[in-house]
Amino acid sequence: AQRVTQPEKLLSVFKGAPVELKCNYSYSGSPELFWYVQYSRQRLQLLLRHISRESIKGFTADLNKGETSFHLKKPFAQEEDSAMYYCALSSSGSARQLTFGSGTQLTVLP
Amino acid sequence: DTEVTQTPKHLVMGMTNKKSLKCEQHMGHRAMYWYKQKAKKPPELMFVYSYEKLSINESVPSRFSPECPNSSLLNLHLHALQPEDSALYLCASSQQTGTPYGYTFGSGTRLTVV
Repeated sequence: AQRVTQPEKLLSVFKGAPVELKCNYSYSGSPELFWYVQYSRQRLQLLLRHISRESIKGFTADLNKGETSFHLKKPFAQEEDSAMYYCALSSSGSARQLTFGSGTQLTVLP
Repeated sequence: DTEVTQTPKHLVMGMTNKKSLKCEQHMGHRAMYWYKQKAKKPPELMFVYSYEKLSINESVPSRFSPECPNSSLLNLHLHALQPEDSALYLCASSQQTGTPYGYTFGSGTRLTVV
């Protein structure tokens, strides 16, 4: 079974402060991990995938297999970063499916 | 074309109605999905189609009936729904082989059952 845990339901930071959204996973195989963002009344958008090790909108995330974590980080938060963030895990194999964590609502205060 | 298109965007239906949600993608993705999302909750997987065949049904009630007529289209047929079925229904697609770039989501159909 695959499981994604986001321990923080709500997170508030001030503009310019660093932000870290936590994500832990449980999966017996080789995980494929993603961060999705959902701005108010907009569609789910792919933010990051661990395989590409990219940085989007200043966000980065590193897969730590020892700690089974995939935390999302940004050194200087902006007000436009306020949104719901979902960590997600994709199974591998012939029947791929994406399982979401419960989400963290990030609010960046002015 | 890098989008998943869902129609209609909004739907209000009575408990005795029959309606269908439609989803279309032209990215050559061979896996397509239906998710249900309640307010302030994560999407919950309902169905997975792989190469036009139903591969996962997450114990969804039979009043929801999926259909995949071809590799670009995915339908969700609705019949005799309950008010608690009101939610945002999301369609997604992904590559079926190789390392997935990611799952692309449509903007959803907001369903209200009255």
